[in-house]
Amino acid sequence: GQSLEQPSEVTAVEGAIVQINCTYQTSGFYGLSWYQQHDGGAPTFLSYNALDGLEETGRFSSFLSRSDSYGYLLLQELQMKDSASYFCAVKRDNYGQNFVFGPGTRLSVLP
Amino acid sequence: EAQVTQNPRYLITVTGKKLTVTCSQNMNHEYMSWYRQDPGLGLRQIYYSMNVEVTDKGDVPEGYKVSRKEKRNFPLILESPSPNQTSLYFCASSLGEGSTPPGANVLTFGAGSRLTVL
Repeated sequence: GQSLEQPSEVTAVEGAIVQINCTYQTSGFYGLSWYQQHDGGAPTFLSYNALDGLEETGRFSSFLSRSDSYGYLLLQELQMKDSASYFCAVKRDNYGQNFVFGPGTRLSVLP
Repeated sequence: EAQVTQNPRYLITVTGKKLTVTCSQNMNHEYMSWYRQDPGLGLRQIYYSMNVEVTDKGDVPEGYKVSRKEKRNFPLILESPSPNQTSLYFCASSLGEGSTPPGANVLTFGAGSRLTVL
């Protein structure tokens, strides 16, 4: 089957660092994506990892270990506007848009 | 403005009454797809399309149809809606595999269509 696991909720304070983990078990793997979704909004792309290692984009970083079927999203210097749901997604084929999404992690940033 | 446009944004209908949710993108994207989002389940893929007249089933295609007659449009059709299709639907598009990475892996989503089937 296809399964991705993420913590359902994470809470942190402004200025802190938070890590959201994602483990996956899928029929194929070509990369791991992360998306942010604010309440009432559409998901927006944050990052994509096809190879092992850390990718950094501003305050956000994403890590992938294909041997462990594991990745994480690291958010630094948290701001109130980072309160949102975060989804990991696996690309299962090397063409097309064959993605499977995780259930999402709701991040609450407290003042 | 580059965007994916879905209509209607909100719809309440009754069981069995055929409906179509339209999706249009103005970015000349090759790939398009449909997802439904339900609490605790994340986004589940319904159908995706690699190009005009090329579509494939996602993980939850039952009860849905799609067509891709033009590159910019990818409508989702519910021939006989049922209450278990009450959900929030998202259309997404991306560049094709020949694009500069990570182009094909960056999904641009529409604003969503909230459908209620009574």
